[in-house]
Amino acid sequence: GQSLEQPSEVTAVEGAIVQINCTYQTSGFYGLSWYQQHDGGAPTFLSYNALDGLEETGRFSSFLSRSDSYGYLLLQELQMKDSASYFCAVKGNAGNMLTFGGGTRLMVKP
Amino acid sequence: DGGITQSPKYLFRKEGQNVTLSCEQNLNHDAMYWYRQDPGQGLRLIYYSQIVNDFQKGDIAEGYSVSREKKESFPLTVTSAQKNPTAFYLCASSTQGVSNEKLFFGSGTQLSVL
Repeated sequence: GQSLEQPSEVTAVEGAIVQINCTYQTSGFYGLSWYQQHDGGAPTFLSYNALDGLEETGRFSSFLSRSDSYGYLLLQELQMKDSASYFCAVKGNAGNMLTFGGGTRLMVKP
Repeated sequence: DGGITQSPKYLFRKEGQNVTLSCEQNLNHDAMYWYRQDPGQGLRLIYYSQIVNDFQKGDIAEGYSVSREKKESFPLTVTSAQKNPTAFYLCASSTQGVSNEKLFFGSGTQLSVL
């Protein structure tokens, strides 16, 4: 089976940097994805890592270490609008379906 | 604008009743999915479809049924066999079949039991 672990809640102040970690267990591995979801809204795709290393997209970066079964999402220059839930998701051998973690609720304070 | 439309936004189900959630996409995507989200939880896969007239069970298919008669449409029926249906239901689609990691989600349907 597949399972993912991520912290349930993180709090940070506006302008700061925050890192959301994700560890996973999966039979087979194709990549790690990150999604953002505001309360009551639809999840939106942020990033995808298939290979080890850091991928940067504006204020957001995502990192993957396949040997450690670990990844993180890094959010820089935090803004109030970044308050949302962030989900990591992996694709393994189970029919190439995405399995999602339980989500990390990020609260950005002034 | 292209996107995924889910309706209704809120739905109430009576005891023993079947209800159907609508999902329509105009993105010309091959694959479509249904996820269930409980409060404070992640997304769990109910059903998915790679092509028209074909679909497979996800992790929590019991008590649900789907059809894929058209590429654009993937309705989900919550049957009376689903004893705990209260949840937020999300429909999604992707290109290149199920191997694509980027899902596009609809705005969801909140289902509650009367």
